This record gives sequence, structure tokens and C-alpha cells, in this order.
Amino acid sequence: DGGITQSPKYLFRKEGQNVTLSCEQNLNHDAMYWYRQDPGQGLRLIYYSQIVNDFQKGDIAEGYSVSREKKESFPLTVTSAQKNPTAFYLCASSPQRGRTDTQYFGPGTRLTVL
Amino acid sequence: GDSVTQMEGPVTLSEEACLTINCTYTATGYPSLFWYVQYPGEGLQLLLKATKADDKGSNKGFEATYRKETTSFHLEKGSVQVSDSAVYFCALSQAAGNKLTFGGGTRVLVKP
Repeated sequence: DGGITQSPKYLFRKEGQNVTLSCEQNLNHDAMYWYRQDPGQGLRLIYYSQIVNDFQKGDIAEGYSVSREKKESFPLTVTSAQKNPTAFYLCASSPQRGRTDTQYFGPGTRLTVL
Repeated sequence: GDSVTQMEGPVTLSEEACLTINCTYTATGYPSLFWYVQYPGEGLQLLLKATKADDKGSNKGFEATYRKETTSFHLEKGSVQVSDSAVYFCALSQAAGNKLTFGGGTRVLVKP
């Protein structure tokens, strides 16, 4: 079945540690995205990538880093510089045919900093 | 910059009642408009979309019409079910990078 997988579903981290969230898609989509969701709020864009080996900052990139070495993978690292990392993180992908494209979302990773 | 405003929840309804969630947007150009739904503990799923003025998106009994004159994309359903309980997000997309701008979400609770 085609889709987007994110792992792990729940992640706990101690303050000061970096942590990497996994996102894999087998939809053959060119574009991938990372969003952050806080309780009772909408989603905010962290980073996005339209092609392998290229990515752009979104609205809240500070304290995060990404890589796009393969078309199907777009891991997100939450660094110790991120002041308030506890949140629900959602990965998405789209065919990148333009503004009409639907974005398809993974199930999310809930990160808690202890 | 672009923005989306939707009514705050929670919205509590009885089964078979009518649902309307208001959504208005501010954007340059001609964005595409989307409604996504999020069930507890899950990611988002596309509910419906409209890509140009006067288009109507529809799915699972939900409808929304792209109104450029009022910059709105209100979501409606004539008869809700308990299974419609979820958080609904209105969003827009511009051509550059196909980035989505989301509203704050509206939680809907349908009681039997």
C-alpha cells in the first residue's frame, strides 16, 4: 500500500539532546514537508523540500534541521537549540504539480521533552 | 502574508443536526482552498478542495464553495453523524512551493 510512514509514534527526549524524526513515503512524490502542531492550534510549516538535495525553511525553522538525500525520505532533527520542542510533528508529501496539489499526511510523531 | 481564519470551537451538535464551519482567507493571487480533517491521535486527511472561484468541493456529504468575492470557503454538512467528530482545518495553497497555510482548526463533537 502506498503511503507515508512516520516513526516512532511517541518519542521522549531529555533536555539538551538532539532527536531525529523519521518520514518515509512510497508515493513517488517530489515534494515533502514538515509541520508542527501545538495543542488547540493549527499547523505551522518547519521545512519543505521540492526536490532531492534541496530544501527551504518554513515559518518556524529555528532549532530544526533536515536532509533530503533520497526522494522517499525526509528526516527532521530537533536540536537542543529548539526552545520548546514538545509538540506533535506531521510529515506530508505532494506530487509537486503546483498549487492545486493535495498534500498527503503521515500519522505523526508526538515528541515530549522531559 | 497569507492567512486563514476559521471559527473557534468546540462546536457541539446532536446527531442529524446541520453543521457549518466558517473559513475566510487573506491571500494575494489565486490560491487553492482545502478542508482537512483530523481524527484523534492521527494525521490529517483531505476532506475536499477547490482550485478556482465558484468551484464547489464535496466529499462524504460535506460541501464548500470557493467564494472569491467574500474570500470565504465555509464547510457545510446537512446531517452529521457521531463519526464526524474530529478537528477540521481550513487551508490555502499558493503556487510557490505549494506550501499550505492553515487556520487554527475547529473541533466538532457530535453527540448521539
